[in-house]
Amino acid sequence: QKEVEQDPGPLSVPEGAIVSLNCTYSNSAFQYFMWYRQYSRKGPELLMYTYSSGNKEDGRFTAQVDKSSKYISLFIRDSQPSDSATYLCAMSPYTGANSKLTFGKGITLSVRP
Amino acid sequence: GAVVSQHPSWVICKSGTSVKIECRSLDFQATTMFWYRQFPKQSLMLMATSNEGSKATYEQGVEKDKFLINHASLTLSTLTVTSAHPEDSSFYICSAAYSGGLDSYNEQFFGPGTRLTVL
Repeated sequence: QKEVEQDPGPLSVPEGAIVSLNCTYSNSAFQYFMWYRQYSRKGPELLMYTYSSGNKEDGRFTAQVDKSSKYISLFIRDSQPSDSATYLCAMSPYTGANSKLTFGKGITLSVRP
Repeated sequence: GAVVSQHPSWVICKSGTSVKIECRSLDFQATTMFWYRQFPKQSLMLMATSNEGSKATYEQGVEKDKFLINHASLTLSTLTVTSAHPEDSSFYICSAAYSGGLDSYNEQFFGPGTRLTVL
């Protein structure tokens, strides 16, 4: 079993839809949970991070962590064509400049106008 | 702020040659730099972690003699793929992080990646 599993894609939704992206993990040491967005042939950019369990909202994006179920989600409200990208979840057991990230496989989202 | 650049953005080389990829933090001093490899439709796989002035720490299964990492300064790390083979063709991405800051989370800032094709 891989440490981080991400729902397979690709995912195609109409503009304005609510998108739910999910990851599960097996390592109970993970404390920091991140969502990255990656456009084609570009490096990932951090969308949101969450420490431990709970919800965090930033504009149209909401990150949710359920440590008891080892399950994290990213919700995108009112999705836009500009949200079309690959979304990767990432996790780390601690923070600090040396903290290693374990990534999910990524899911490609396409938002149709 | 927090911009990381990579050079070159793409490179094509012949089998058996060596290729050097540079990673620079443009507006901050990076305590640590990371090198990742990403195959098509696959996740980022960490290859090694490097701290300025120290030897890199390689992940299990990554050949340190093949992937030479030098972290000469707080703003520059290089990855040299030695004796490249077609199976080394991949997207190589670096990231940089720094200690401290007001936030409790030390973000890794990613470069735009380098696409290596070995013929």
